[in-house]
Amino acid sequence: GAGVSQTPSNKVTEKGKYVELRCDPISGHTALYWYRQSLGQGPEFLIYFQGTGAADDSGLPNDRFFAVRPEGSVSTLKIQRTERGDSAVYLCASSLGAGGSLGNEQFFGPGTRLTVL
Amino acid sequence: GQQLNQSPQSMFIQEGEDVSMNCTSSSIFNTWLWYKQDPGEGPVLLIALYKAGELTSNGRLTAQFGITRKDSFLNISASIPSDVGIYFCAGRGGSNYKLTFGKGTLLTVNP
Repeated sequence: GAGVSQTPSNKVTEKGKYVELRCDPISGHTALYWYRQSLGQGPEFLIYFQGTGAADDSGLPNDRFFAVRPEGSVSTLKIQRTERGDSAVYLCASSLGAGGSLGNEQFFGPGTRLTVL
Repeated sequence: GQQLNQSPQSMFIQEGEDVSMNCTSSSIFNTWLWYKQDPGEGPVLLIALYKAGELTSNGRLTAQFGITRKDSFLNISASIPSDVGIYFCAGRGGSNYKLTFGKGTLLTVNP
């Protein structure tokens, strides 16, 4: 498809388990972002990739969260030892470049709804 | 994390009515964006504003970038049922990539 895709669309796991969430950005987009959206809230920034490197991971809540983008395209958000408070929708976005003009704005995927029991 | 102050939290209107929502921040932003999110989907960009004082339209939607660079509003004219959804403002400040979002305005349109 032409848009950002995320898999799985839903993930239910038990407290303490490890999960991986995948994002396929729009082809040719060098910038990729992860956000977390809790119920009734707006998305909150987690991490920004420019190419293969994490240019800004200041939004990751703690060291249980980690993200990679080894080939500069697909990205995986990894959460270790999940906690109930990690339950949220995890959104991925991509853009042609960093913002500042309409051509560089972020396109969002549909998100992965994570539920930690 | 920091979020913008977006109001109102929700609105219930009749089809055909005009709607106005706004966003304020304690920090200066260089870019203001307005997104719409439908259930089970990611936010979709409606309008982007890059200059203080800028007024931009997209069909029935009009948005303005406040002169102080700390606020923005979105107007929807002649609402229709498909306008239903959650509208988010987002701002971009010192960095050219990190977006800060408001908590959203839930719009319900009664036909």
